Amino acid sequence: SQTIHQWPATLVQPVGSPLSLECTVEGTSNPNLYWYRQAAGRGLQLLFYSVGIGQISSEVPQNLSASRPQDRQFILSSKKLLLSDSGFYLCAWSKKRSYNEQFFGPGTRLTVL
Amino acid sequence: EDKVVQSPLSLVVHEGDTVTLNCSYEVTNFRSLLWYKQEKKAPTFLFMLTSSGIEKKSGRLSSILDKKELFSILNITATQTGDSAIYLCAVFNSGNTGKLIFGQGTTLQVKP
Repeated sequence: SQTIHQWPATLVQPVGSPLSLECTVEGTSNPNLYWYRQAAGRGLQLLFYSVGIGQISSEVPQNLSASRPQDRQFILSSKKLLLSDSGFYLCAWSKKRSYNEQFFGPGTRLTVL
Repeated sequence: EDKVVQSPLSLVVHEGDTVTLNCSYEVTNFRSLLWYKQEKKAPTFLFMLTSSGIEKKSGRLSSILDKKELFSILNITATQTGDSAIYLCAVFNSGNTGKLIFGQGTTLQVKP
């Protein structure tokens, strides 16, 4: 069966510090991968998605970036965090031809102070 | 601009009540509508709807889609405290970007 991991589970960072969140998927190959952010009381906003190694599409302009160095690894980064980057970050995967059925990881709660 | 709107935003009921959650959408290149349940962390998949008028059912939960009026409802009968969660509706846009567009969610609290 497939599983998706995210770490860390929670993170408190000062404004201006760098960020690296990691997501890995097991039990499948060549998945589509997604990063979402969920602000308090809001729905999920798609930040990035990737259909393959090194292929990243950005949905919204921001100071975040994403990378996919390996088939089942997806990384969300920032060089300098802003207060507005606080939120709940969710990684998700889908099968190559099932874009709409997405399965979510446990999430990382980021607080920027 | 594509959008998905859920109502109500929050709801408090007592165990045994029946609830109806609403999701309306305006999305180009509609492919499917999905319902998720989010407790403390990751949203978990409930239903995917692609055709109008066909009810999907899982235990006490059921959902139906109306593609003419552009909405879906999620019904929960005989609610239990374990049903307390955020219920998210998402619509899949099969256009160039092919992405899920989420509503704001409905926060349901079921009291004993």
